[in-house]
Amino acid sequence: EAGVVQSPRYKIIEKKQPVAFWCNPISGHNTLYWYRQNLGQGPELLIRYENEEAVDDSQSPKDRFSAERLKGVDSTLKIQPAELGDSAVYLCASSLTGVGAGAQGTQYFGPGTRLLVL
Amino acid sequence: GESVGLHLPTLSVQEGDNSIINCAYSNSASDYFIWYKQESGKGPQFIIDIRSNMDKRQGQRVTVLLNKTVKHLSLQIAATQPGDSAVYFCALALGEAAGNKLTFGGGTRVLVKP
Repeated sequence: EAGVVQSPRYKIIEKKQPVAFWCNPISGHNTLYWYRQNLGQGPELLIRYENEEAVDDSQSPKDRFSAERLKGVDSTLKIQPAELGDSAVYLCASSLTGVGAGAQGTQYFGPGTRLLVL
Repeated sequence: GESVGLHLPTLSVQEGDNSIINCAYSNSASDYFIWYKQESGKGPQFIIDIRSNMDKRQGQRVTVLLNKTVKHLSLQIAATQPGDSAVYFCALALGEAAGNKLTFGGGTRVLVKP
């Protein structure tokens, strides 16, 4: 079974430029998560999708970060405009459902997109 | 706010020895705890989880212990191998009412010496 796929793996941009990251979750997983991971720290949740609906984006700077999950499968996370402090690894994860422990709620992560803003 | 912390940022262990990674948390309402392993250039990989109604759970070469009284979680790796070298994160969730919103700790790097 294929895991969570993310692209690109690396991205270097200048500040004030827009950038987008793409995620394809594990087939059949209804819940999709976007996390940001700063160097030497654990991931922090940016946004969670239950199918097509965003249910938790409390950590996202709303004026510059946006995400969409069309048709409840693939998702795109966008930053516009990017700032120096946005340099981080952006991780996508998916789970069968959005609640519960065990197999249904376990989150599986993709390899991440490493963003460097110059 | 919620905080999850680790006692040791780096753990150096001899191959074949057992490893113990510790994690403290502050929110007693935490319901679900997970350990993840993250190798360089990869995303976190699920290792093992435990619900708050349990105090011990075993997997293959790994054991998670939960002490709710002192809000402490640990991961034990038996017979540590070179492939166990990675950063280990504990994460917790506040139960089904909060969905599966995970709060991650800062990570412990495990270095396995041959």
